[in-house]
Amino acid sequence: AQTVTQSQPEMSVQEAETVTLSCTYDTSESDYYLFWYKQPPSRQMILVIRQEAYKQQNATENRFSVNFQKAAKSFSLKISDSQLGDAAMYFCARSGAGSYQLTFGKGTKLSVIP
Amino acid sequence: DTAVSQTPKYLVTQMGNDKSIKCEQNLGHDTMYWYKQDSKKFLKIMFSYNNKELIINETVPNRFSPKSPDKAHLNLHINSLELGDSAVYFCASSQEWQGTDTQYFGPGTRLTVL
Repeated sequence: AQTVTQSQPEMSVQEAETVTLSCTYDTSESDYYLFWYKQPPSRQMILVIRQEAYKQQNATENRFSVNFQKAAKSFSLKISDSQLGDAAMYFCARSGAGSYQLTFGKGTKLSVIP
Repeated sequence: DTAVSQTPKYLVTQMGNDKSIKCEQNLGHDTMYWYKQDSKKFLKIMFSYNNKELIINETVPNRFSPKSPDKAHLNLHINSLELGDSAVYFCASSQEWQGTDTQYFGPGTRLTVL
């Protein structure tokens, strides 16, 4: 089975500081896509950032950026200048170019300390 | 303007009952999905429909039957509900069925079976 692993069940960060959430994955495909989704207490799944595996440049979205290491099959999320609203479950997910489903990791619960 | 909506948001019912969850998307997407999030927050694909046709049916009991009356709707009907069906069910949609497309999620339906 092709899996996505998030090794940190819980993390915490001080407000305004930077935190990095880890994700590794397994795939036999050369072309695939990686995502980070955020799930706040409201339960809504919100796309944070997306990375195409064929792109060497790391994706960024405002305070969110990724460190994509294709050879190592690693896809970490960096949150800069953490805000209280960043507190949520964060899910890493992978899909393949030829497949139609997202495979999710088990999530990392991020707490932001005022 | 809600992109992906689900009704109801909460559903509490007795074991053995039959219930339905409705999903609608106004994004003009061709593909819709149902995911189940268990008590440990693990998200797993259940079904996917592309242009009203089933393209994924993961190992899901046949008590679960998706129905897509048109591209904008994918409803989930569950017969003979069991305690283990208690979970949060998410509907999602994407432009196409290939893994290149970002999936957009509804707010989730929390199903509690007593």
